[in-house]
Amino acid sequence: DSGVTQTPKHLITATGQRVTLRCSPRSGDLSVYWYQQSLDQGLQFLIQYYNGEERAKGNILERFSAQQFPDLHSELNLSSLELGDSALYFCASSVTGSFSNEQFFGPGTRLTVL
Amino acid sequence: GENVEQHPSTLSVQEGDSAVIKCTYSDSASNYFPWYKQELGKRPQLIIDIRSNVGEKKDQRIAVTLNKTAKHFSLHITETQPEDSAVYFCAARRNTGNQFYFGTGTSLTVIP
Repeated sequence: DSGVTQTPKHLITATGQRVTLRCSPRSGDLSVYWYQQSLDQGLQFLIQYYNGEERAKGNILERFSAQQFPDLHSELNLSSLELGDSALYFCASSVTGSFSNEQFFGPGTRLTVL
Repeated sequence: GENVEQHPSTLSVQEGDSAVIKCTYSDSASNYFPWYKQELGKRPQLIIDIRSNVGEKKDQRIAVTLNKTAKHFSLHITETQPEDSAVYFCAARRNTGNQFYFGTGTSLTVIP
């Protein structure tokens, strides 16, 4: 157990819908990262937050957005969902905002878009 | 942007043999190279990393080498055990813009 929690574990929804994925970092970690893992795209970095502010942006679609709240938990919002958005979404956390600090991954949320 | 290529995509070795996975990157500004292990149905876990000011790093049966000139880095696992069976991902961090890129993964199977 890495100490990072993600909810829900599974999510099944329809195309065009909107969902919110939630992540709570390890105690003391200030940075949260979101990743998407799909069969055809592999593991992709989406976005990073540090102490409430966006720090880095990767291959995140405009239909997706995220935020980090004052209590440091983070939410990833996915809207206008398409079949291709079906994937495993991981959240990770680290102590500082540097990628070269070890990131601890959560168990992931499996999103299925029908 | 950065492009991280990883080879091979699958690798089978006999227990006790060594396994080597190679990654190449395109951006000379990349300066941090971690390796992750992901067991089936589980989360990725960092197993070793190397920074651009170091050529080699070892941790028990695992080692990583970095050749900055050729822009490639490799993961070496010696005396492989069945529990080493997993998918291994390399990654590279590009300092400029603070981006993080993963390789496509190598599925390692250690045959008892």
